[in-house]
Amino acid sequence: NAGVMQNPRHLVRRRGQEARLRCSPMKGHSHVYWYRQLPEEGLKFMVYLQKENIIDESGMPKERFSAEFPKEGPSILRIQQVVRGDSAAYFCASSPVKSDTQYFGPGTRLTVL
Amino acid sequence: GENVEQHPSTLSVQEGDSAVIKCTYSDSASNYFPWYKQELGKRPQLIIDIRSNVGEKKDQRIAVTLNKTAKHFSLHITETQPEDSAVYFCAVRRAGQNFVFGPGTRLSVLP
Repeated sequence: NAGVMQNPRHLVRRRGQEARLRCSPMKGHSHVYWYRQLPEEGLKFMVYLQKENIIDESGMPKERFSAEFPKEGPSILRIQQVVRGDSAAYFCASSPVKSDTQYFGPGTRLTVL
Repeated sequence: GENVEQHPSTLSVQEGDSAVIKCTYSDSASNYFPWYKQELGKRPQLIIDIRSNVGEKKDQRIAVTLNKTAKHFSLHITETQPEDSAVYFCAVRRAGQNFVFGPGTRLSVLP
């Protein structure tokens, strides 16, 4: 059973471009969480999704950020018009239905030039 | 909303000694309390967790204790080894809601 997959592992964007981060949950997992981690800091919750539904997006900035988890395919975190302050590691985690245990992917390290 | 504090922020111990990290939380309805270990450049990995209906849980050299009344829980690592050096995060969850993480503790085990 493959673990949580994220791609790309490293992403470089120039200011104003769009960044798309993908997360494929573990097989059988229908819940996905996205977190942002700045260097030397903790994990900040961004959004909690289940297939075709956003459960909680209270941690996500209202502008430029969006997330989806379609019926088929990976979950996508999209950042429009990136700024230098968006540079961070973005981790996703997945869990099965009715389970608290979440498993993390390897992360995407976004660098905005 | 939930507020999670974690202490200490850094901890250095001699190899073979014990390490204790404590987290406090504010929401009495929180019922799931995991601990994660994150090595430099790697993903967080679950090392132990506890639910609100249990007071203590142990897995080899690692244990977690929970005091629901005082709203705090602690990670205990015995017989520390250099490979235990990492950043440790506690987290708190209320059923069906998102996770709130503590700010982390950087543990250094000195040989």
